[in-house]
Amino acid sequence: EIVLTQSPATLSLSPGERATLSCGASQSVSSSYLAWYQQKPGLAPRLLIYDASSRATGIPDRFSGSGSGTDFTLTISRLEPEDFAVYYCQQYGSSSWTFGQGTKVEIK
Amino acid sequence: EVQLVESGGVVVQPGGSLRLSCAASGFTFDDYTMHWVRQAPGKGLEWVSLISWDGGSTYYADSVKGRFTISRDNSKNSLYLQMNSLRTEDTALYYCAKGFLVGVFDNWGQGTLVTVSS
Repeated sequence: EIVLTQSPATLSLSPGERATLSCGASQSVSSSYLAWYQQKPGLAPRLLIYDASSRATGIPDRFSGSGSGTDFTLTISRLEPEDFAVYYCQQYGSSSWTFGQGTKVEIK
Repeated sequence: EVQLVESGGVVVQPGGSLRLSCAASGFTFDDYTMHWVRQAPGKGLEWVSLISWDGGSTYYADSVKGRFTISRDNSKNSLYLQMNSLRTEDTALYYCAKGFLVGVFDNWGQGTLVTVSS
């Protein structure tokens, strides 16, 4: 099973700032089969990015994903008030899909 | 608009059984892989199970293998999760999710809460 480790656990930033979230894998994720999700309190997760760098339908272009192998990054170029939430990475390169433990982006 | 509505979550004693359902609408249900994903209170996400579009292939997380069974009825646009030998660590909000590229979850329900407690 591929273990995903997200860092930092919490990111304290102000609206308008750039957010950089990291996701490290215990072994290489085949074909960059990595996704990112956003979850707000009391709501279901929402797909943001798939295949490491492809934005899902309706996702603003301030969200971008990059990386390959064992190191992946989600970047939010300029934080909007609605972006403060928990973000999860998830790999689907093996038939046991796993998530990272999450990064909380909070208002500074 | 894709809609996924889970039901069946209740309080159940350890060792008990439960069947969750997910009613799907707004898309061609039998074209897609479907998943169950759970989230323990205050914790992160855990993938539980997958079923292929025709029900011919199923996969399970090691934590539920041998105890949970995923199934679907394409004539009713419905997904199910039969949960047996429930443990306290199975307490979670259970989400039904539509598969995209098999292993990506592009639409989620609102979840149904399963509490395993004596």
